[in-house]
Order: sequence, then structure tokens, then C-alpha cells
Amino acid sequence: EDQVTQSPEALRLQEGESSSLNCSYTVSGLRGLFWYRQDPGKGPEFLFTLYSAGEEKEKERLKATLTKKESFLHITAPKPEDSATYLCAVQASGNQFYFGTGTSLTVIP
Amino acid sequence: DTEVTQTPKHLVMGMTNKKSLKCEQHMGHRAMYWYKQKAKKPPELMFVYSYEKLSINESVPSRFSPECPNSSLLNLHLHALQPEDSALYLCASSQGSGGYYEQYFGPGTRLTVT
Repeated sequence: EDQVTQSPEALRLQEGESSSLNCSYTVSGLRGLFWYRQDPGKGPEFLFTLYSAGEEKEKERLKATLTKKESFLHITAPKPEDSATYLCAVQASGNQFYFGTGTSLTVIP
Repeated sequence: DTEVTQTPKHLVMGMTNKKSLKCEQHMGHRAMYWYKQKAKKPPELMFVYSYEKLSINESVPSRFSPECPNSSLLNLHLHALQPEDSALYLCASSQGSGGYYEQYFGPGTRLTVT
């Protein structure tokens, strides 16, 4: 059964304290893995697309990596404005698009 | 420009009302989506339109009726909804479907059914 799991469910960091969020997946025929940021009451904001194991993408304090079984979103020296829910989503070969349950990140000044 | 717009932002409707949600994109995308999102849950896919044709219907009740008048517009017609249908309704679009394309989301319509 296709599945996308994110951990931890919630994460509290001090400003400047780097950490990583995990997205594990078991799908048939990965076509793409996507990271989104969502602020409360708003639509998800696209961050990254990863297509193959070993691929990395960076944007400001965020870096996304992909292996054959999981993806990590590394946050370096986070700031309070990085507080949000981070969602990963997977596009499988059967045209299915699965979201993980998200990680709620809080960065404390 | 990666903007998807949705109207209205908020909607309150009774269980006997008929209303419509609207979504528009001008990125030339050929796939458009409706999602439903409950509080503290990920978005749940409802419908996918590819090249203006309905390609995926995720067993959504018939009180939700999608329509794609053209490649830039997507509507969701609502009729006889239940209180449990209260949620954030998100529209998204992508360059194509069934493949390798990221989806871009609108801000959502917050729907309350009384």
C-alpha cells in the first residue's frame, strides 16, 4: 500500500538551532517528491521538487534531499518566520498524489 | 507569476443552499485540482481535471459537483451540504497531470455549513 509518513509531528526549535524534518515513503514508481510550506488558514506554498535519489535542492535556509526511501528537509539557523507546517507529497506512477500528515514547526525567538 | 486565485475567501451556507466556489489561473497550466482540508490534516484530493476533462474523482459525494468551463477556470458547485463538509477548500494547478509537475495552490475558501 502506498504511504507517506512525516516525522516528527511537531518540532520546537530555538532561533538558530538547525534541525531536519523527515518524509518517508513507500509508493510504486516514484515520479516526484514535493515539499510545501503551509501557514495557518492559507494554501500550501511550493518549495521544492525532487525526482531521483541523490538529488538536492536549496533555497535560503532550507535544503531538501532525497534517497530511495525518504526525503529530508534541513533547516539551517531557522528564524521565527520559518514557523509553519511543512508538508511533503509524493506523485506515484498510478497518477496518485499523496500528502504526508505534515510537521508543525515552531521557531522560538 | 505562479498565482492561483480563489473566490470567495469565506463562505457560510445553510444545508439547503446552493453555492459555487471559483478558481482561476493564468499560468497556462493544463491540470487543475480541488482539495478539501480539515484542521490539522493534510489536503485530501477531491477532483482532477486534465485538459478540461475530469480525470480523477476520489469518490466524492454528489453534493459536490465540479466544472471546468475552460483551461483557466475551475468551479465547484455545492448543494445540500452537511455540517461535516465545513473545511478549507483548496484549488491547485499544474503544468500537466500524472507525472512530474509540482502543483501550485490558491489561498483557499473557508467554508462553514450551518
